[in-house]
This record gives sequence, structure tokens and C-alpha cells, in this order.
Amino acid sequence: AQSVAQPEDQVNVAEGNPLTVKCTYSVSGNPYLFWYVQYPNRGLQFLLKYITGDNLVKGSYGFEAEFNKSQTSFHLKKPSALVSDSALYFCAVRDRGGQNFVFGPGTRLSVLP
Amino acid sequence: DAGVTQSPTHLIKTRGQHVTLRCSPISGHKSVSWYQQVLGQGPQFIFQYYEKEERGRGNFPDRFSARQFPNYSSELNVNALLLGDSALYLCASSWAQGTYNEQFFGPGTRLTVL
Repeated sequence: AQSVAQPEDQVNVAEGNPLTVKCTYSVSGNPYLFWYVQYPNRGLQFLLKYITGDNLVKGSYGFEAEFNKSQTSFHLKKPSALVSDSALYFCAVRDRGGQNFVFGPGTRLSVLP
Repeated sequence: DAGVTQSPTHLIKTRGQHVTLRCSPISGHKSVSWYQQVLGQGPQFIFQYYEKEERGRGNFPDRFSARQFPNYSSELNVNALLLGDSALYLCASSWAQGTYNEQFFGPGTRLTVL
């Protein structure tokens, strides 16, 4: 069965500093990997996905993520954090035969001015 | 273009009652999925429908059911509500069933069971 771990409940970073939100996954075979962001009282917004090819994926709002097959990780990164990036971030995995997403528990990102 | 819409926004029910939640996908999207998000947790998959047929079901009791209509909108029904059903119910749509397609989420319906 697929699973996703986000080892940090909370990540704090100063505005302008780089940020990393960690994600590791477990799936049989090659995965499809996704990052979503959730603002208060809102649904989830798609940021980026990894399907195949280049291990560095670029997405919305300056975010990028690096797929590492040997470490089964898909960490979300941004070179320079903004206060407006403060939100709840979810990593999700989908195996290539599955119909559903499996989401991690989420990481709350706080960017301090 | 309108995104995924859900109704109602909020709902309060009592134990044992029945509830129906509604979702309209993005125009052109044929796949609709439902998720339950309990406070402090990630969304949990309930159902996926594609072309009006159930294509996936998560680990939820039979009290949960859903359907998709010819216009691709969808309903989620929950019978015999329990306190533990209190959650944010999210609907997501995608244009096809392919597993590499991202899903686009609606704002959710906040269900409170008293």
C-alpha cells in the first residue's frame, strides 16, 4: 500500500530565506508525486507534480521539488520565502495503477517577516 | 473559468441523520473524487467516479455512497451520521482518469455532526 510521510509538523523560516518542506513516500513501482498547498478555509491548490524525466520539477509561485528515487523523497523547495507562503502543505503519491491519491499529514509552513 | 464548486459551504447535522453533499467539476472534467479531511490530518480518499461509474473506493463504511450524473456533477451521501463524520469534505475533479493527472479541488463542505 502507498504511504506518505511528512516528518515535520511545522517549519519556520524567515522571509527571504530558502525553505524546504520534506516528504518521503512508499509505493510499489514508480510513483506519481504531487504537492498541494492549503490556505485557511480553502481547498487544496496544486503546486507541482513529478511524472517522469528530470528529477527537478518546477511549479507554481516559484516552488520546485526534487525527486530522489534512492531516498524515496520528494522535498519541496523555494529559494526565497515570502510571508504569503505561510500555509499548510501536503505531499501526495499515486501509484501507476491506482485511482486515488494518498496524502501525507501535512506540514504547516510559517514564514516570519 | 469557474473552478470546482461545492454546496453547501457549511452544514450542521445531528447523529443518525443523513446528508447529501454536491459537487460540480471544472467544465470538461469527467472525473470526480471525494475526500474527507479531518482537522489536523491530510485528506483521505473516499470515492472516484469517471464517466458516471465508480472507479475507486477508499476504506470507508457502506454508510458512504456517491454517484455521478450525466453532466459529470456528483453527490456524496452519508447515512446514519456519527460524531466522527465531522470533517471537511473535499471534491476534486480532473479531465481524465489517468493517474498522472493532477486533481483540482473545490473549497469543501464543512460538516459538523452534533
